[in-house]
Amino acid sequence: DAKTTQPTSMDCAEGRAANLPCNHSTISGNEYVYWYRQIHSQGPQYIIHGLKNNETNEMASLIITEDRKSSTLILPHATLRDTAVYYCIVRPSDSWGKLQFGAGTQVVVTP
Amino acid sequence: EAGVTQFPSHSVIEKGQTVTLRCDPISGHDNLYWYRRVMGKEIKFLLHFVKESKQDESGMPNNRFLAERTGGTYSTLKVQPAELEDSGVYFCASSPLAGLYEQYFGPGTRLTVT
Repeated sequence: DAKTTQPTSMDCAEGRAANLPCNHSTISGNEYVYWYRQIHSQGPQYIIHGLKNNETNEMASLIITEDRKSSTLILPHATLRDTAVYYCIVRPSDSWGKLQFGAGTQVVVTP
Repeated sequence: EAGVTQFPSHSVIEKGQTVTLRCDPISGHDNLYWYRRVMGKEIKFLLHFVKESKQDESGMPNNRFLAERTGGTYSTLKVQPAELEDSGVYFCASSPLAGLYEQYFGPGTRLTVT
């Protein structure tokens, strides 16, 4: 499976948009980009996923570059409750579901 | 709808003892996954059940770990005998179907082996 690279940490001001980058330069044509997050002392939580088109749901937007070698998760209006570790994960379409977590990005939203 | 539940939330045992962790998936979810995060490391996949069958157990660290899912409902993960390096947080997740569907995680069981 393709590997992902994320910044170790980033800060974001409450109410502002948080833009979380992820590099996946070795991604294959059948691999999807997934985002999960883990709020302290909770289990990981699914956020969003996409293949090549941009996606949006009630939590976030996912922007995937045309060459699919990188993506950005956007939290449009960050709140203090968005403080968490965010994981960018690449999964093949024929996957049985195993998630391969990396180190993720620690996002701290400040007042 | 109840989420994935795990029991106990915390467990402290001595090296050499046995511990059994339980996971109750969301009702109707045939797919159940176990993951764990040991101290300072990333979350790692342990195994995947489809109903009562083990679909993938490639992440099980050794034969001290035994996972079961009798009847395709709840699952147990037994560690016998426990070692210090087994300390960490054990997560369970479930999904209605395998593949690209999102997984719903439980809150985890924190295991401390002393």
